[in-house]
Amino acid sequence: EVQLVESGGGLEQPGRSLRLSCAASGFNFDDYGMNWVRQLPGKGLEWVAGLNWNSGSIGYADSVRGRFTISRDNARHLLYLQMNSLRREDTALYYCAKAVTGDYSEYGMDVWGQGTAVTVSS
Amino acid sequence: SYELTQPPSVSVSPGQTARITCSGDALPKQYVYWYQQKPGQAPVMVMYKDNERPSGIPDRFSGSGSGTIVTLTISGVQAEDEADYYCQSADNTNTFGLVFGGGTKLTVL
Repeated sequence: EVQLVESGGGLEQPGRSLRLSCAASGFNFDDYGMNWVRQLPGKGLEWVAGLNWNSGSIGYADSVRGRFTISRDNARHLLYLQMNSLRREDTALYYCAKAVTGDYSEYGMDVWGQGTAVTVSS
Repeated sequence: SYELTQPPSVSVSPGQTARITCSGDALPKQYVYWYQQKPGQAPVMVMYKDNERPSGIPDRFSGSGSGTIVTLTISGVQAEDEADYYCQSADNTNTFGLVFGGGTKLTVL
């Protein structure tokens, strides 16, 4: 079964850091691009970051560029999101999502995890 | 920043046709993808490359485009189709970026 399972969310203070992880199974992880997408409470979806199968192409939303870093470990089938300098407006449910091809931006996202919740508050 | 515009809500009766639009200046040159999200669940892709259905998506879902507007059409709407629908495309102002529309709440009356 193709599956993505996020972890690492929780409550953190503004200015601090969190690292999210996404464990992939049931498919050849190193063949596909991956994305992080978040959903603020009661709001719509917001793309956060994406990277290609070999990390050769990486993109970030303007709202997180310079603070968040996406990375992957193909040997361990893991996707990461390092979140630094957290802000209250980063409070959201964070999903990892598999791209249809090795390019994270090509042909959409066909598999999603159930999300991990991040709350930024003092 | 680049935006994809969707109507906040669409309402139809069971068996009718629902049309959800997504507009953006760059859409004539970019593919659009559609996702369905039911309460408490993760999104599910229901259309890719404007008008192609992933496996397992009923054929009552279809997609089309005309200029700067792309439309997701659900024919013979069923109660189970009630959900939020989001369009997604490449961000015209952010190299390597992606963007989602604001979402449309489909209500089945």
